[in-house]
Amino acid sequence: GENVEQHPSTLSVQEGDSAVIKCTYSDSASNYFPWYKQELGKRPQLIIDIRSNVGEKKDQRIAVTLNKTAKHFSLHITETQPEDSAVYFCARTNTGNQFYFGTGTSLTVIP
Amino acid sequence: DVKVTQSSRYLVKRTGEKVFLECVQDMDHENMFWYRQDPGLGLRLIYFSYDVKMKEKGDIPEGYSVSREKKERFSLILESASTNQTSMYLCASSLRTGTGETQYFGPGTRLLVL
Repeated sequence: GENVEQHPSTLSVQEGDSAVIKCTYSDSASNYFPWYKQELGKRPQLIIDIRSNVGEKKDQRIAVTLNKTAKHFSLHITETQPEDSAVYFCARTNTGNQFYFGTGTSLTVIP
Repeated sequence: DVKVTQSSRYLVKRTGEKVFLECVQDMDHENMFWYRQDPGLGLRLIYFSYDVKMKEKGDIPEGYSVSREKKERFSLILESASTNQTSMYLCASSLRTGTGETQYFGPGTRLLVL
């Protein structure tokens, strides 16, 4: 279908460890995959995105990988810090008009 | 820096009232969106608009309508509020390129319908 499955729904890691969140989709026409971070009481903000013609993208401690064949994409956060604690949402679109979001992952980084 | 603002951060309304939520963006974006956010359900699209006076239904349009008379402003209307419309409402905007661009979100309106 159209939805995006996101796992896990909650994730706790020790400060300094890595965190990985995975999203799967079924619409092979999807071509844009953004990741949003939402801190408590704040608006979602884009942290990284990837297009279907790229397999991996990295920005400092954050990376996203895309496997078009398997139809999944993942967010990787390395050397986690307490300020990484937030809810993370993945999304996909194939037109830029309608976006389909995952149900969110609540990440807690334990100092 | 993109700014998306929403008219209220918190609203309390009674069942049956007509409710207006307004969203304004200052970046000349063609696309504007209204989502509701509920725990465990993520963000669900109510309506979106890709141009002035244009609107498209999203996944959950029932009980809602929208208005886009000016490019910078997108209004969500609850014709007769019900308790199951208690939620966080998020507005967003983006450029229209046909392939997907970053969405910029407003701060959200938390609506309580009694």
